[in-house]
Amino acid sequence: GEDVEQSLFLSVREGDSSVINCTYTDSSSTYLYWYKQEPGAGLQLLTYIFSNMDMKQDQRLTVLLNKKDKHLSLRIADTQTGDSAIYFCAERRTGGGNKLTFGTGTQLKVEL
Amino acid sequence: GAGVSQSPSNKVTEKGKDVELRCDPISGHTALYWYRQSLGQGLEFLIYFQGNSAPDKSGLPSDRFSAERTGGSVSTLTIQRTQQEDSAVYLCASSFQAGGVNEQFFGPGTRLTVL
Repeated sequence: GEDVEQSLFLSVREGDSSVINCTYTDSSSTYLYWYKQEPGAGLQLLTYIFSNMDMKQDQRLTVLLNKKDKHLSLRIADTQTGDSAIYFCAERRTGGGNKLTFGTGTQLKVEL
Repeated sequence: GAGVSQSPSNKVTEKGKDVELRCDPISGHTALYWYRQSLGQGLEFLIYFQGNSAPDKSGLPSDRFSAERTGGSVSTLTIQRTQQEDSAVYLCASSFQAGGVNEQFFGPGTRLTVL
């Protein structure tokens, strides 16, 4: 389909790992991104991965990319209450110019 | 340095009125983007500027929407004859260049409410 899909909600306990999943649409997308949106704030780029990579690690964040299944995931290790936010994946599609196509967003709630 | 700024932060208007939303990108960023975020539609691309020209206007939902960018800097998004379905948060982003990683930095948005 045309939509970039994510599950709507995820609840985890503080200190556990969180895994947020995303299914994107264009197998030839060049870059895939993860953005974070906190209440009342703009979007903040967390990390990105180039399409010729399978994995990228950046401190507590690990991005996994499965191009065959067009599946992207973001793992947050040792999740903290400050990680509570909405997380969006986004793809930059081949032939789509420079615009980003965003997923539906996953609301992460971190409980004590 | 300063990030992307947008004004106003909130705008309430009556159906049928025109509104102008302003975006100040990060200094030196050549590319500028407008998106909107609404409950029903999620985050949607509207228009992209490279310098003062707009090579991609494919996301503008109707001819009531227009945008311009002057001096390769400030951009204004204009919505004419606003409708209730235009109610959304309008987000502006800028990037240093259009190619490569194209990291887009977002402003805080303008929340538009059409009564």
